[in-house]
Amino acid sequence: KQEVTQIPAALSVPEGENLVLNCSFTDSAIYNLQWFRQDPGKGLTSLLLIQSSQREQTSGRLNASLDKSSGRSTLYIAASQPGDSATYLCAVRQGGGTSYGKLTFGQGTILTVHP
Amino acid sequence: EAGVTQFPSHSVIEKGQTVTLRCDPISGHDNLYWYRRVMGKEIKFLLHFVKESKQDESGMPNNRFLAERTGGTYSTLKVQPAELEDSGVYFCASSPQRTSGRREQFFGPGTRLTVL
Repeated sequence: KQEVTQIPAALSVPEGENLVLNCSFTDSAIYNLQWFRQDPGKGLTSLLLIQSSQREQTSGRLNASLDKSSGRSTLYIAASQPGDSATYLCAVRQGGGTSYGKLTFGQGTILTVHP
Repeated sequence: EAGVTQFPSHSVIEKGQTVTLRCDPISGHDNLYWYRRVMGKEIKFLLHFVKESKQDESGMPNNRFLAERTGGTYSTLKVQPAELEDSGVYFCASSPQRTSGRREQFFGPGTRLTVL
């Protein structure tokens, strides 16, 4: 059974800092990994998707890496801004079988960037 | 292009009543998923439709939950009768057909269900 853990549970940083959010998963046989952002009372916004064959993906100030063999992914946010404050969620998708579409989520990291 | 939409955004009902949640996926997306987040827990998978067929319903908690996707377009999730532990946020997501590569899932804003 796949389990996803995100560390830290919460993070508070001053504006301008670079930061790293961590995600680990127990079963390395994944198809892809998605990072999402959730603002209070809102839905999930997909930030980055990394296929199992890829090592990293970049979008603007965001960079996500994937080390499938060790069951780890990191989300790097450069030059953080108050608008980055949100809950960040990591989710993995298994490679096959009946449950090929299922995403397994971590608990999330609550990020606060203060001015 | 419109995203995934869900209705209602909030629902407050009493224990024992019935509630029906609706999800409209992105147009042309064959895959539709239901997830939910109950208080203090992570988001958990409920089920997956491919067009109108249930591909995977391994996450459905019990037989009080019934999901349908008539005609392979919108989907409904009915809870009957609702219990206190059903309170939470119910998310719907959709993704393109299986052969299209990345299969990124796009989420709706969720329906917040409160059972009193």
